[in-house]
Amino acid sequence: EAQVTQNPRYLITVTGKKLTVTCSQNMNHEYMSWYRQDPGLGLRQIYYSMNVEVTDKGDVPEGYKVSRKEKRNFPLILESPSPNQTSLYFCASSLRQGGGEQYFGPGTRLTVT
Amino acid sequence: QQQVKQSPQSLIVQKGGISIINCAYENTAFDYFPWYQQFPGKGPALLIAIRPDVSEKKEGRFTISFNKSAKQFSLHIMDSQPGDSATYFCAASNDYKLSFGAGTTVTVRA
Repeated sequence: EAQVTQNPRYLITVTGKKLTVTCSQNMNHEYMSWYRQDPGLGLRQIYYSMNVEVTDKGDVPEGYKVSRKEKRNFPLILESPSPNQTSLYFCASSLRQGGGEQYFGPGTRLTVT
Repeated sequence: QQQVKQSPQSLIVQKGGISIINCAYENTAFDYFPWYQQFPGKGPALLIAIRPDVSEKKEGRFTISFNKSAKQFSLHIMDSQPGDSATYFCAASNDYKLSFGAGTTVTVRA
């Protein structure tokens, strides 16, 4: 089954404790992206990757890191999480951007206390 | 700063009625305008999309109307059904960046 998977689905952590949210797709897509969803703000793009080893900032990259060492994986790293990063996070992939359908993962709900 | 402004924030419609969601943008470089549908506990899924060279696109009960000169586009849900109850996001894309509206929660009453 073609899909985007994220782990963990739920995470509660404390301020400053480094964490990684994994994202994997099995559709051989070139493009992957991370979003955060907050009430009243919709989805905001954090980082995106056009291909392996090629990443760029989205609209809200502060406090986040990403890497794209393999085509199928695109982990999101929070080096020192803060309470304002409490949010619902989505990973997405598409064959190409600029008009391509994005396939979203099921989401990761992160709480930073 | 929201690059795509979406309204209303929520709406309630009777079964069989029409739901209308409006979006506006400023960046004329946007060249792809998708609508995503999201059910509780799920990720968004593409519903329908349009390019600016077309003024209207229809897929089943869902229609996008696009007004390039006004920089506005809207989603019409005809004959709304309880299963259409979800959050709808408009979006606009330019190359590798996708900007979403704030979302509209649609509730269809049986």
